[in-house]
Amino acid sequence: EVQLVQSGAEVKKPGESLRISCKGSGYSFTSYWISWVRQMPGKGLEWMGRIDPSDSYTNYSPSFQGHVTISADKSISTAYLQWSSLKASDTAMYYCARHRDYGDPLGKGAFDIWGQGTMVTVSS
Amino acid sequence: DIQMTQSPSSLSASVGDRVTITCQASQDISNYLNWYQQKPGKAPKLLIYDASNLETGVPSRFSGSGSGTDFTFTISSLQPEDIATYYCQQYDNLPDFGPGTKVDIK
Repeated sequence: EVQLVQSGAEVKKPGESLRISCKGSGYSFTSYWISWVRQMPGKGLEWMGRIDPSDSYTNYSPSFQGHVTISADKSISTAYLQWSSLKASDTAMYYCARHRDYGDPLGKGAFDIWGQGTMVTVSS
Repeated sequence: DIQMTQSPSSLSASVGDRVTITCQASQDISNYLNWYQQKPGKAPKLLIYDASNLETGVPSRFSGSGSGTDFTFTISSLQPEDIATYYCQQYDNLPDFGPGTKVDIK
């Protein structure tokens, strides 16, 4: 079964660092881009950025550039989203999603497989 | 940046009704447009890719059309299990989602 399994919910304080993970299985992890999507409570979907796991090339939304870092470890088929200093406004559900198109060099296309989501709560 | 608008923002319809949602891009995005369904507490699910292609396993009552700047998503006969929020998403350059349309049963 093709799936993305994300790490569990996190509760952090402002200023703390955090890395959440997204492990792919059932497919060739390095052949499909992975994107991260934020959903703040009661709000819509926001695309944050994407990574090509084959070489860790990344693109970021201007809204998130400099605020988060996306990385991947292809040896364990896992992508990561990390913060160096969390803010209360980072409280949200975060989803990873696989791009649909095999071997796409540009990272375009639809997101066909989604992780279950990781809830991040930042509160003092 | 490409701006995406969706209308309506919410709608109520009866079981069996035809439901139509529109999505407009601020510039030509060809057919680089996808549609997702998100049920409460769940991850989004891909329904339509490249404007009009039905994802494998998705019921045929869902369809999409359009190109350029104007796109339409249709549920031909609304079912109780279709209660959800629907999002369009463009991927002409960097991906972006529309604001969503919440669909309820009347």
